[in-house]
Amino acid sequence: QVQLVQSGAEVKEPGASVKVACKTSGYTFTRYDISWVRQATGHGLEWMGWMNPNSGDTGYTEKFQGRVSMTRNTSIGTAYMELTSLTSEDTAVYYCSRTSSPGFFEFWGQGTLVTVSS
Amino acid sequence: EVVLTQSPGTLSLSPGERATLSCRASQSLKSTCLAWYQQRPGQAPRLLIYGGTSRATGIPDRFSGSGSGTDFTLTISRLEPEDFAVYYCQCQQYGVSPLYTFGQGTKLEIK
Repeated sequence: QVQLVQSGAEVKEPGASVKVACKTSGYTFTRYDISWVRQATGHGLEWMGWMNPNSGDTGYTEKFQGRVSMTRNTSIGTAYMELTSLTSEDTAVYYCSRTSSPGFFEFWGQGTLVTVSS
Repeated sequence: EVVLTQSPGTLSLSPGERATLSCRASQSLKSTCLAWYQQRPGQAPRLLIYGGTSRATGIPDRFSGSGSGTDFTLTISRLEPEDFAVYYCQCQQYGVSPLYTFGQGTKLEIK
């Protein structure tokens, strides 16, 4: 069965960077885009960007341009999301999700809590 | 940018009742772009409906999606205790930023 398993919770200081991993299994990793979605406590879902695991092409929402990087390691079926220059506003649960056509999020990781605090 | 506005913000109903959740878009959308998700506390979102009307694998037939243009609806025909959660609509729009947009959510609570 399709599974996306994310790395564990992180605590970071303001100004630092965080890199979250999303290990996939149960399907061909390069056949489906991966998106990252975040959710601050008590708030809704916010889409951050997507990556094509086959080509490595990416697209980021304007809000995160210049601060986010989405990469992958195809040999181990794992996607990564790195966010730099963290502030307290980045404290949230970050989800990876497999994107299916026509543009919906069919499978989700369990989420990774990133806490930014001094 | 496409804005999706969900209403009501909170819906209070009893098990066995019918729930109607609305998602209104700021511009006309292809109905096939619309998806709906359920999120229970402490869990990741779960896909319910995609392509406007298609149920995801394993989703009971009491969940249905409908609508076109700017007005879309998620209907739960008879509420079960496990249906009380937060629901989000979502659409993908090529050529606009952001590529994917979510509504702000509707909380379905037990009355």
